[in-house]
Amino acid sequence: DAGITQSPRHKVTETGTPVTLRCHQTENHRYMYWYRQDPGHGLRLIHYSYGVKDTDKGEVSDGYSVSRSKTEDFLLTLESATSSQTSVYFCAISESGLAKNIQYFGAGTRLSVL
Amino acid sequence: AQSVTQPDIHITVSEGASLELRCNYSYGATPYLFWYVQSPGQGLQLLLKYFSGDTLVQGIKGFEAEFKRSQSSFNLRKPSVHWSDAAEYFCAVDQGNQFYFGTGTSLTVIP
Repeated sequence: DAGITQSPRHKVTETGTPVTLRCHQTENHRYMYWYRQDPGHGLRLIHYSYGVKDTDKGEVSDGYSVSRSKTEDFLLTLESATSSQTSVYFCAISESGLAKNIQYFGAGTRLSVL
Repeated sequence: AQSVTQPDIHITVSEGASLELRCNYSYGATPYLFWYVQSPGQGLQLLLKYFSGDTLVQGIKGFEAEFKRSQSSFNLRKPSVHWSDAAEYFCAVDQGNQFYFGTGTSLTVIP
């Protein structure tokens, strides 16, 4: 999986609790992305990063925040988890953000919010 | 707005039969197009991509796809399906620094 590690792989949490998912890459790629995957919706972009401390919102960013203090790590935080955030979360990386760029995906984190 | 449509939610084929998965997109400029495959419990793996040039592109695992500008389509094909091809397939369009994915087509292969 192109040197991408997501942790944890599975998590069960309760409504209202904070949750942080981690994406770690060993490829030294500049761009990193967080997606969520839900039945009937495919993958939707939550946030992405184009460098250390440089992030921007995606299509479904409400309720999520991100941080990138090092090239290799991109954190996704749910400040107060809700049941609608139950999903599978995928991290992706790419060498640049230009068109024609290929994204490589991690194995995913399955999050259940009860 | 950008959109990617995969009209078939689920397809079942017999092993050895041919396969075609449909993908349509709406985008004003020349698109950059991708097909990804996702096996159960796994991340997405790139099958093939189209950037420009020859409209028939070859990918891994014996897959190919044809870009048809007039139909705004990028359909995925395989002449003979193997049981290991059972998975979910996603079409995607690259709009600069954001990908837009279709909702996916789930493929079942019957022995």
